[in-house]
Amino acid sequence: EVQLIESGGGLVQPGGSLRLSCEASGFTVRSNYMTWVRQAPGKGLEWVSSMYSGGSTYYADSVKGRFIVSRDNSKNTLFLQMTSLRAEDTAIYYCARVVITYWYIDLWGRGTLVTVSS
Amino acid sequence: SFVLTQPPSVSVAPGKTATITCGGNNIGSKSVHWYQQKPGQAPVLVVYDDVHRPSGIPERFSGTNSGNTATLTISRVEAGDEADYYCQSWDSRSDQAVFGGGTQLTVL
Repeated sequence: EVQLIESGGGLVQPGGSLRLSCEASGFTVRSNYMTWVRQAPGKGLEWVSSMYSGGSTYYADSVKGRFIVSRDNSKNTLFLQMTSLRAEDTAIYYCARVVITYWYIDLWGRGTLVTVSS
Repeated sequence: SFVLTQPPSVSVAPGKTATITCGGNNIGSKSVHWYQQKPGQAPVLVVYDDVHRPSGIPERFSGTNSGNTATLTISRVEAGDEADYYCQSWDSRSDQAVFGGGTQLTVL
């Protein structure tokens, strides 16, 4: 079955760090354009970061310098390392696959909740 | 990056037609996609590249895109269509997805 399963969310204090994982099944992460999208409680969708199959990475201005996207090809897993976390980073983080023919998301994970609070 | 503007809410009676707009400067020149999100669930793609439906999406869902407005139309609305709907395009200059603010569809 083709799916994405996120993990690693939880409660963290402001200024803390967290690493999210996104394990893919049924397809190869390294051959696809992968992205992270987040959704704050009661709010809309916000693009966070992306990684090309070739390894290039891109970040929203709101997380640039604090978040790093990476992957482990042997584990077929995408990661999002988050540091210097702020209250406004509180959200459900979705891992997703992008179809680059038309640049839309055809596969979403169920999401993992990150709560930044003291 | 550019901005996509959606109405916060749309209400429609069962069996009627719902129209959800997505405004943006010359959005007709871009490829627009639509997602449906029900409470507690991940988004689901319902229309891609302006007018195309993924397999499994009812023909009741259709899209158009021209000028400064893209539109998602849901015909013969059912109670199960009640959800938040998001439009999305891609900013090739900054290489990032751009989402509209979302529209809450209420079936009366």
